[in-house]
Amino acid sequence: DAKTTQPNSMESNEEEPVHLPCNHSTISGTDYIHWYRQLPSQGPEYVIHGLTSNVNNRMASLAIAEDRKSSTLILHRATLRDAAVYYCILLKTSYDKVIFGPGTSLSVIP
Amino acid sequence: NAGVTQTPKFRVLKTGQSMTLLCAQDMNHEYMYWYRQDPGMGLRLIHYSVGEGTTAKGEVPDGYNVSRLKKQNFLLGLESAAPSQTSVYFCASSQTSYEQYFGPGTRLTVT
Repeated sequence: DAKTTQPNSMESNEEEPVHLPCNHSTISGTDYIHWYRQLPSQGPEYVIHGLTSNVNNRMASLAIAEDRKSSTLILHRATLRDAAVYYCILLKTSYDKVIFGPGTSLSVIP
Repeated sequence: NAGVTQTPKFRVLKTGQSMTLLCAQDMNHEYMYWYRQDPGMGLRLIHYSVGEGTTAKGEVPDGYNVSRLKKQNFLLGLESAAPSQTSVYFCASSQTSYEQYFGPGTRLTVT
């Protein structure tokens, strides 16, 4: 199974952009890159996903490297409510076992 | 829509006792999952189901059993609880293998 590597923790100032990196050097052609986040004492929630092209939605943007071996989740203006653990995972189109690593703990400083 | 609900929210068991955790979803999703989360760690998949009447093992299935008799419900059973099963349990559902919707979690303590 392809795995992902993320920094354990990151800090950001409120209202500044945040770039959360993820390395997935063993990604296969059928793996989609997904991001979830988990706020304190809550279940994870879906953020965004993509295959090859960059993606935008109301929550964030996903920038995918041309070789697909890395990606970056971009929060355009961090708020205190964005403080959470962010997980980068790989999923295939047909169901595959989902492996959540430890993720990146994002702290937002007022 | 209530989304994904879990019952109970909290439970304390003694070693050797049994219990069943109930997960219900009202989104008509085909896929359902049970995860556990230990302090400082990510989620680990216990069992999952790709449709009514089907179940499959995940990453850490030992000590747990599951059933999916109805499409909207996914039950997780502990036949003989052990302290190592102290954890927060999350249920999730999805229509495809993509976006998963998670429940609020069940905090289980085994003494």
